[in-house]
Amino acid sequence: DAGVTQSPTHLIKTRGQQVTLRCSPKSGHDTVSWYQQALGQGPQFIFQYYEEEERQRGNFPDRFSGHQFPNYSSELNVNALLLGDSALYLCASSLRLVQGNEQFFGPGTRLTVL
Amino acid sequence: GNSVTQMEGPVTLSEEAFLTINCTYTATGYPSLFWYVQYPGEGLQLLLKATKADDKGSNKGFEATYRKETTSFHLEKGSVQVSDSAVYFCALSAGHYSGGYQKVTFGTGTKLQVIP
Repeated sequence: DAGVTQSPTHLIKTRGQQVTLRCSPKSGHDTVSWYQQALGQGPQFIFQYYEEEERQRGNFPDRFSGHQFPNYSSELNVNALLLGDSALYLCASSLRLVQGNEQFFGPGTRLTVL
Repeated sequence: GNSVTQMEGPVTLSEEAFLTINCTYTATGYPSLFWYVQYPGEGLQLLLKATKADDKGSNKGFEATYRKETTSFHLEKGSVQVSDSAVYFCALSAGHYSGGYQKVTFGTGTKLQVIP
């Protein structure tokens, strides 16, 4: 059973560029959440997708957007990249109605903005 | 809003020592509580969880008890091993129960280093 997968593993961009990160959830999961983890910090919630709609959003600007596809996979898009967007981006999948909302995390995409 | 506070690291212990990592939280309602572990170069893995007051989560020799009266969820292990070296995150899940759309709030993490 494949777990949560993310691509690419690493990415280097320059300021002002746009980036798309991809995530495939664990088999059987229908909800995808995205987190930003700066170096030495805990993950910060960006947003959560269920049934192809954004259901909750953290304190991130509109430059951060996403999408969920009918097969439950998801993309995270970041426009007009800033140096401060350099971080590890984690995708997590879960079953919406599971008590305690256990989330399974992917290995992350390391984004470096120069 | 919801928040999680955990003790700062790094924590350095000798093998077979007793481990405690403190975690306290602030949340409305009745959150679920988690400990996640992140090994070097890897993503987060759920270590244990507790979904209601007085529940004890346990896994791989680690334990944590959901204490609503002190809003705490301290992580303990009786005898640590070198392989336990990692970053440990305390987290809570609370949100729109009726809709099921819950988000997880993490602490800043505590780095544990176990030396032989």
